Order: sequence, then C-alpha cells, then structure tokens
Amino acid sequence: AQSVAQPEDQVNVAEGNPLTVKCTYSVSGNPYLFWYVQYPNRGLQFLLKYITGDNLVKGSYGFEAEFNKSQTSFHLKKPSALVSDSALYFCAVRDARGYQKVTFGTGTKLQVIP
Amino acid sequence: DTAVSQTPKYLVTQMGNDKSIKCEQNLGHDTMYWYKQDSKKFLKIMFSYNNKELIINETVPNRFSPKSPDKAHLNLHINSLELGDSAVYFCASSQGGANPADTQYFGPGTRLTVL
Repeated sequence: AQSVAQPEDQVNVAEGNPLTVKCTYSVSGNPYLFWYVQYPNRGLQFLLKYITGDNLVKGSYGFEAEFNKSQTSFHLKKPSALVSDSALYFCAVRDARGYQKVTFGTGTKLQVIP
Repeated sequence: DTAVSQTPKYLVTQMGNDKSIKCEQNLGHDTMYWYKQDSKKFLKIMFSYNNKELIINETVPNRFSPKSPDKAHLNLHINSLELGDSAVYFCASSQGGANPADTQYFGPGTRLTVL
C-alpha cells in the first residue's frame, strides 16, 4: 500500500523568508510524487511533480521540491515566501504500477506573515 | 475557459433527499475522478472512470452512484442523503492510461450541506 505523510498541520513563515513544507512517502515500487496547492474555496491546483531524473524539481509560482530517495522525502521549498503563497498544500504519491490511485497527504496550511 | 467545471457550486438539502452533482471537462482527457474533502480538509478518492469505464471504486456507500455518459462528463448521484455526506466534492480529470506520472486537474468543488 502507498501512503504519504505531511507531519506539520501548519507552517508559519515571515514574508521574504525561505519556506519548506515537508512530505514523506511510502510506496512499494518507484514513486511518482506531486504537490498541489488549494486556495480558500477553490479546487486543487497542480504545482509540480517528480517522475525520474534530477532530484530538484521546479514548478509553478517559484516553488521547487527536492526528492530524497534515502529519506523517502519530497519537501516543497521556495526561496522567498510571499503573502499570496498562504494556502493549503497537499503532497501526493502514486506508485509505478498501472492504474493506481493517487494518495494525498493530509495537507499543510502555509501562513506567510507580512 | 474553465477546464474542469462542476455544478452546482453549493448544494443545501435535507436528509433523505436524492441529489446529483455534474462535472464536465474540456481538456480532452480520458480519465475523470470524484474526490470527497471532509471538514478537516482530508481528500479521499471515491471513483475514477477511464473512457466511461469504472476503474477505481473505493469503499463508498452504494448510495453513491457515478455515471459517465461520455468521457467528458462524470456525474455523481447520491441517494438518501445523510448528515455525514456533508463535504466538498471535487471532480478531476487527467489524460489517463497507465501512466503513473499522469497529472490530475481539479474542478472548483461542490459544497454539499445536508441538514
């Protein structure tokens, strides 16, 4: 079975500071990892995904994520947080076998303080 | 242009009623999904259709019945609504197939409130 954990319910960061939202995963095969963002009263928007290759993945809105196989982690990062980055962030995982569902984490609320 | 659209956006109804939520995507995708997001924001897959064929059917009460008239539409019908059905329901679509890197695109959600 596949699973994903987001250990922090909420992350607070000052505007202009770097931010990290943590995610760890468990799959039986090769992982395919995704980050989505949900703004209030909106649907989820795709940010970035890891398929294979370079461990640092760049995505939308200046976000990037670092894949670490030994630590089974896929943390989301941004060098300089904006107040408009405040939202709910979901990590998700799917393993490499055929028609498999995507499993989402429980979400981390990011609050960027002006 | 809205890629994945859902109607209605809000749905308030009494316990025991039957209601439907509609979803349409104009992305040309083959696969569509229904997710339920509860009050704690947990997101759980309910169903997935690929080219009108059911491929994922999670442990969902059989009061919930998805219907896909064509690959651009996936509707969700709920019979005998219960208080616990109150949630936000999201439709999503993706290119589909057996590609694990397949990215899902979500609709704006339907907030269902059962009184």
